[in-house]
Amino acid sequence: GAGVSQTPSNKVTEKGKYVELRCDPISGHTALYWYRQSLGQGPEFLIYFQGTGAADDSGLPNDRFFAVRPEGSVSTLKIQRTERGDSAVYLCASSLKQGGGYTFGSGTRLTVV
Amino acid sequence: GESVGLHLPTLSVQEGDNSIINCAYSNSASDYFIWYKQESGKGPQFIIDIRSNMDKRQGQRVTVLLNKTVKHLSLQIAATQPGDSAVYFCAENMDSSYKLIFGSGTRLLVRP
Repeated sequence: GAGVSQTPSNKVTEKGKYVELRCDPISGHTALYWYRQSLGQGPEFLIYFQGTGAADDSGLPNDRFFAVRPEGSVSTLKIQRTERGDSAVYLCASSLKQGGGYTFGSGTRLTVV
Repeated sequence: GESVGLHLPTLSVQEGDNSIINCAYSNSASDYFIWYKQESGKGPQFIIDIRSNMDKRQGQRVTVLLNKTVKHLSLQIAATQPGDSAVYFCAENMDSSYKLIFGSGTRLLVRP
């Protein structure tokens, strides 16, 4: 596609529920990144995919967070047993190659109530 | 850990004036820097970048200056327009790695 697409744009869920956030990167981009942005803060790295594999998941806060990219294109960020502290904007980005700047999507605003 | 930071959280300028947004970084190993603009409800948008082997780079109405001696980065916007109102982030990257480290942002407000 023309840009990085993230769905849904907004998600409200109850504490303890499971959520999935989807990212469609720019066609042909092999590198895909997930970041999390709290209100008034800069984005913080969560996980990086090169192709289908998670090359670095060191930014995932705990084992309730998991992400997949089974075919090397679309990625899904999964959060189990959501907590109010998980509320944030989850940003996805992609790039042609590792390094350099990348293109961000508009994010999914997750609110846990 | 080391991180990118910003001097001014909010900057208010008159339309038509020049804007300067500053950023301090602490990791001398960083070799690539990017400025992003983020409007409300949108993801960060790439503005301009610079590598550590340069001290100045110009784009359309924007200039980035890098002072490695004092680990300082700035974004200059010429003839600031209302559409420039947004939050601006600097980000650093080390050794062409994939991970960007962002500062907390500066909000630019343009007065008509």
